[in-house]
Amino acid sequence: NAGVTQTPKFRVLKTGQSMTLLCAQDMNHEYMYWYRQDPGMGLRLIHYSVGEGTTAKGEVPDGYNVSRLKKQNFLLGLESAAPSQTSVYFCASNRGTSGTYNEQFFGPGTRLTVL
Amino acid sequence: AQSVSQHNHHVILSEAASLELGCNYSYGGTVNLFWYVQYPGQHLQLLLKYFSGDPLVKGIKGFEAEFIKSKFSFNLRKPSVQWSDTAEYFCAVNARGNNRLAFGKGNQVVVIP
Repeated sequence: NAGVTQTPKFRVLKTGQSMTLLCAQDMNHEYMYWYRQDPGMGLRLIHYSVGEGTTAKGEVPDGYNVSRLKKQNFLLGLESAAPSQTSVYFCASNRGTSGTYNEQFFGPGTRLTVL
Repeated sequence: AQSVSQHNHHVILSEAASLELGCNYSYGGTVNLFWYVQYPGQHLQLLLKYFSGDPLVKGIKGFEAEFIKSKFSFNLRKPSVQWSDTAEYFCAVNARGNNRLAFGKGNQVVVIP
C-alpha cells in the first residue's frame, strides 16, 4: 500500500495563476482532509470530505476549492494564487470517527511558493 | 470547538536529557488525543494516541504520554533523548465522534549531540 500520496511535491506559481493539488489514498478511507502548515501556526484545516461527492469548509477555506469525485482522490484547487498561499500543504485521510478509525494518515506534503 | 495549546515552542536539549512537552486542550466532552512527529523535511507520523483505557500511553521510539482528564492535559515525555529526536512535535485533539482534528502550534525540538 502506498498510503497517502500527493502530487506535485514542489511548485512555484506567479500571483494570479491557478493550480490543482492531487491527493490519493489506497486505504479505502471515507474521510479526507487538506491542511496547510505555516511556521509557528501548526496545521490548519482548509477543507475536508466525509465521503465521495461531499466537501465541507474547514478553518481557513478562503481562496481554495476542493472536489471529491472519486473516493480515493481529493483535489485542492487554487483559482488565483496569492503570496499568502505560500505554504506546505498536507493531505490526510482516515477511516471513520469511532475508536481507532479516527487516526489520520498524512501524505508527504506539497511545498508551494507563490511569487 | 476544541482548541489545543502547546507551550515552549522552541526546545533545545543535549543528548540523554529528559524531554517533556506540554499539551492542554479545551473541550469538556470525551476526546481522542494524539501526538504526531515531523522529522525535518518529512510528513507527519503518529507517535502515540489515546482513545480510552490506561491513561499512560506508550508510543514508538521510547515516547510516552499521560492523559490527565482533570487537567485537560496530554503531556509527552521521553526519559533520554537522542540526536535523531530532533523534530517538530504536534499535539492534536478531536471530540469523540467528530472527524475534525485540532492541532496545537507545535514544539520545535533540537537535540544537540
